[in-house]
Amino acid sequence: QSGLTQPASVSGSPGQSITISCTGTSSDVGAYNYVSWYQRHPGKAAKVVIYAVTNRPSGVSDRFSGSKSGNTASLTISGLQAEDEADYYCSSYTTATTWVFGGGTKLTVL
Amino acid sequence: QVQLQESGPGLVRPSETLSLTCIVSGGDSISIGSYYWSWIRQPPGKGLEWIGSLYYSVTPKYNPSLESRVTISADTSKNQFSLNLRSVTTADTAVYFCARVGDWYKSFDHWGQGTLVTVSS
Repeated sequence: QSGLTQPASVSGSPGQSITISCTGTSSDVGAYNYVSWYQRHPGKAAKVVIYAVTNRPSGVSDRFSGSKSGNTASLTISGLQAEDEADYYCSSYTTATTWVFGGGTKLTVL
Repeated sequence: QVQLQESGPGLVRPSETLSLTCIVSGGDSISIGSYYWSWIRQPPGKGLEWIGSLYYSVTPKYNPSLESRVTISADTSKNQFSLNLRSVTTADTAVYFCARVGDWYKSFDHWGQGTLVTVSS
């Protein structure tokens, strides 16, 4: 199974919005609404910020939102803050009953 | 609040077996359904790679690219699960994470902090 495709890096200024894409296939992202997004700060445990494409766990800022169109899912962070600077990963459940991750996107807050 | 903590040697020789354990605490029992108990890794400079997942009383699922070398098993008496990766090479050098996956949404909702395993002679 191939990994999901994410941009290596994105950047934005405080207060701006950014979007990170996650492209897969009809066997993973396009097959189910089982796409999740994770935030990971260096040396810390990863934290889920979006699950099931659009759902936000309790305690996650409403500045984080998710969407999906066909085989591509997206994470949008609005009102960028310095604390959002981190690595972001997507994951998807697949038709083979396995999981696949994206390569990760480094978000820089300028 | 469930917590996961990886443990195991930080250095493994090529061709040997990498063995890690994930201790689950905070009230969750790995012998109850509704969750998959999983291993993920991240080689230096690369993205995350799912290794495999264990669901109580069901045959584990493995990444096809690693399936011939991987075994994930559970010790319910200690509430922990383990990863064995055989015949390692330098390409298996990575930070290894354990995580819990909720069955409803297939999301990795709790993670350990990860442990670096280096394969080197």
